[in-house]
Amino acid sequence: TQLLEQSPQFLSIQEGENLTVYCNSSSVFSSLQWYRQEPGEGPVLLVTVVTGGEVKKLKRLTFQFGDARKDSSLHITAAQPGDTGLYLCAGEGYGQNFVFGPGTRLSVLP
Amino acid sequence: DTAVSQTPKYLVTQMGNDKSIKCEQNLGHDTMYWYKQDSKKFLKIMFSYNNKELIINETVPNRFSPKSPDKAHLNLHINSLELGDSAVYFCASSQLGFARGTDTQYFGPGTRLTVL
Repeated sequence: TQLLEQSPQFLSIQEGENLTVYCNSSSVFSSLQWYRQEPGEGPVLLVTVVTGGEVKKLKRLTFQFGDARKDSSLHITAAQPGDTGLYLCAGEGYGQNFVFGPGTRLSVLP
Repeated sequence: DTAVSQTPKYLVTQMGNDKSIKCEQNLGHDTMYWYKQDSKKFLKIMFSYNNKELIINETVPNRFSPKSPDKAHLNLHINSLELGDSAVYFCASSQLGFARGTDTQYFGPGTRLTVL
């Protein structure tokens, strides 16, 4: 079974700060996705990365897929209170398994 | 319009009871899923259906039985509920099939099940 680990588990920062959260595995994934989940709601897809070394930007969010396709990072610039939520990475392994990481809970204080 | 809807939103019941959670998607997707999110927020897939056919059945007790009357609906029936079944259950749908890298899963709002 391919597993994903995320760090940090919790992160509390002030509005305007930058942050990076990580998603790591010892296994290779064909693609990785990042989701944000707000309290009482289901996860919402932010981005999918499929190519090793790929970088995608979504406004203040920058996503990177590691060259070896075993890890990914999410960098947020000038965080805002609206960025608060649970950030989940999810990976599709070879052999059609699909797993979620345990998530990073981000709190951005005004 | 809600893309993926689930009912009920909250479900509180006694151990040993049988309950069902309903899910409907109006996106015209071919694939639907059930996930379980435990108290530590770990989201784990339970089932995947493609055009009313079971594709994925992870290690889930056979007390859990998905039923798909048509491709827009995937209901989850749980027999003999146990304390450990308490969790949030999410339904999701996608167009292309299970977990294709470029596919997008749309999640419902979740059903919080509490077993007393």
